[in-house]
Amino acid sequence: EDQVTQSPEALRLQEGESSSLNCSYTVSGLRGLFWYRQDPGKGPEFLFTLYSAGEEKEKERLKATLTKKESFLHITAPKPEDSATYLCAVHSSGGSYIPTFGRGTSLIVHP
Amino acid sequence: DTAVSQTPKYLVTQMGNDKSIKCEQNLGHDTMYWYKQDSKKFLKIMFSYNNKELIINETVPNRFSPKSPDKAHLNLHINSLELGDSAVYFCASSPTGQGATDTQYFGPGTRLTVL
Repeated sequence: EDQVTQSPEALRLQEGESSSLNCSYTVSGLRGLFWYRQDPGKGPEFLFTLYSAGEEKEKERLKATLTKKESFLHITAPKPEDSATYLCAVHSSGGSYIPTFGRGTSLIVHP
Repeated sequence: DTAVSQTPKYLVTQMGNDKSIKCEQNLGHDTMYWYKQDSKKFLKIMFSYNNKELIINETVPNRFSPKSPDKAHLNLHINSLELGDSAVYFCASSPTGQGATDTQYFGPGTRLTVL
């Protein structure tokens, strides 16, 4: 069974204080790893897909990286508007294309 | 110009009642989904439809019955509501439903509270 564990559960940063969120996964064969952002009262919003170890993707202050066991979402010089819950999900080669989601990291960036 | 829309946004009802949640997507996608997000933010898939056909049914009580009148709509009907059904329900859609390149687009969610 696929498993996704995100840490930390919650993270408080000061504006400009860079940090990283972790997504550890156990799958039979990784087809893709997704990062989503979820604002309070809204649905998840797609950020990135990573497919193979060593791959990196960037969007504004966010950079996602992937190894064979985990993915990191690096946040450089965050702003208060980056406050949200960040969700990680994996698609495995186990047959169906059902994503398995982690429980998310709740990020609060203080001005 | 909303991509994936759901109604209602909030639903408060008594135990034992029957209720429905509607979902529509205007992205031209072939596949639609229902997810349940519990109070701890854990997002778990319930159903998936591809071109109006059920392709995923994840151990959901048969009180939950999805219906897809066409590929742009996927409704969720819940019979005999229980306290444990309280959660946020998200509808999503994706272009094909196949492959890791198939990004899902989520609706705004319906917060269901069963009293």
